[in-house]
Amino acid sequence: DAGVIQSPRHEVTEMGQEVTLRCKPISGHDYLFWYRQTMMRGLELLIYFNNNVPIDDSGMPEDRFSAKMPNASFSTLKIQPSEPRDSAVYFCASSRRPGRGYYGYTFGSGTRLTVV
Amino acid sequence: QQQVKQSPQSLIVQKGGISIINCAYENTAFDYFPWYQQFPGKGPALLIAIRPDVSEKKEGRFTISFNKSAKQFSLHIMDSQPGDSATYFCAAREAGAGSYQLTFGKGTKLSVIP
Repeated sequence: DAGVIQSPRHEVTEMGQEVTLRCKPISGHDYLFWYRQTMMRGLELLIYFNNNVPIDDSGMPEDRFSAKMPNASFSTLKIQPSEPRDSAVYFCASSRRPGRGYYGYTFGSGTRLTVV
Repeated sequence: QQQVKQSPQSLIVQKGGISIINCAYENTAFDYFPWYQQFPGKGPALLIAIRPDVSEKKEGRFTISFNKSAKQFSLHIMDSQPGDSATYFCAAREAGAGSYQLTFGKGTKLSVIP
């Protein structure tokens, strides 16, 4: 299993540009999460999906952020327009359905976004 | 609103020593408490987890101690090694149908010096 795959690993963009982050979850995982990590705020949940359906997007900072999961093997997080304060590491994580013996998330390696 | 408070922010321990990281929570609906380990340039990885019906769980050199009445839990790393140097996050999950999100503490950067 290749794990959760995120692309790109690094993204540098100019303020005002559109940024798209991509995630391929582990096959068979029903849940997909997008987190943002900064020094000041730590790991923040932005949005999560269950069976490709968005369940909770209350963590999405503002309308400039949007996320989609068109199928079970692909999700995107889009920022349009991007701002310098969006600079952070964005993680995607996936998980199986909660059960008696397994509740862990598997995280991808993250996308480091720098908006200049 | 910080639902899981983690301390200390950073920790320096000598090789062979015991590293202790503490977390506290307020939400009594939390029913699952994992710890994640993150190395630079990598995503967090599940290290060990505990349910509130037990007071301690041990896996190798890593032990979680859980105090339900005090709403606190801690990670102990015995015989700390330089390879344990990483950032550690505690987390908690709220029980309930349809609720499957983890709330993370802000992390503790552990440095184990030779």
